[in-house]
Amino acid sequence: GENVEQHPSTLSVQEGDSAVIKCTYSDSASNYFPWYKQELGKRPQLIIDIRSNVGEKKDQRIAVTLNKTAKHFSLHITETQPEDSAVYFCAASIRNSGYALNFGKGTSLLVTP
Amino acid sequence: DGGITQSPKYLFRKEGQNVTLSCEQNLNHDAMYWYRQDPGQGLRLIYYSQIVNDFQKGDIAEGYSVSREKKESFPLTVTSAQKNPTAFYLCASSIDGASEAFFGQGTRLTVV
Repeated sequence: GENVEQHPSTLSVQEGDSAVIKCTYSDSASNYFPWYKQELGKRPQLIIDIRSNVGEKKDQRIAVTLNKTAKHFSLHITETQPEDSAVYFCAASIRNSGYALNFGKGTSLLVTP
Repeated sequence: DGGITQSPKYLFRKEGQNVTLSCEQNLNHDAMYWYRQDPGQGLRLIYYSQIVNDFQKGDIAEGYSVSREKKESFPLTVTSAQKNPTAFYLCASSIDGASEAFFGQGTRLTVV
C-alpha cells in the first residue's frame, strides 16, 4: 500500500519545550491529513487535521503544517505538559483504498517535568 | 464515549478456531474500517467498507473476512488461516473517505 513515514519513533522533551513530529507520504492524491493521540490501552483520538487546500492550521498549543509539493506534513506542540505524553500517529488518505487512512508507525512522546 | 462500540474488549482464541469481532456504530456513517495494531507497527488497514453491502480488502486482508449487511454493523472474522492473529484490533467509522475517523475502544485478541 501507499506509505506514510513518521519520524522520530521516540521523542523526549522537558516540560515547556516544543515537540515536532514529521511525516511524509507517497500518494499525490491524498487530500486529508489527521493526527491522532493514543494513550496506553486506549483508542486513538483526533487532535488536529488539515486538508490539502490549507498550508497551516493551529489549535491552541497544537499546529500542523502541510507541504503538498514536498509531500510532507508536521505536528508542532508548544509549551509541552506531562499530560501530552502519549503515542502520536500521523495519517494520510489513500485514493486507492476509498480514501481510507494510512497511518505512520507512531511517535512515542515523553514529556518530563 | 458513545458512537462506535466494539465487543468484546478481550478475546482468547484457540489455534484453528474462527472468531468474530463485533463493531457497531450509531453515527449514521457510511464508511467503516478495520485496523490491526501491533507494537511498533502503527495501524494497518485490514478491510474497509464505503457503503452497505460493499467492502474492499486493505493491505493485510489475508486470513480475515467481513460483512456489511447493515449500515450500523461491520463485523470482522479472524479465520484459522490467519497465522499470527494476536493483536489489538480497532474498528473505525467516518462520514465518508477523507474525513475524521472515529475509533472504537478496541478488541485485544490473544491466541492460546
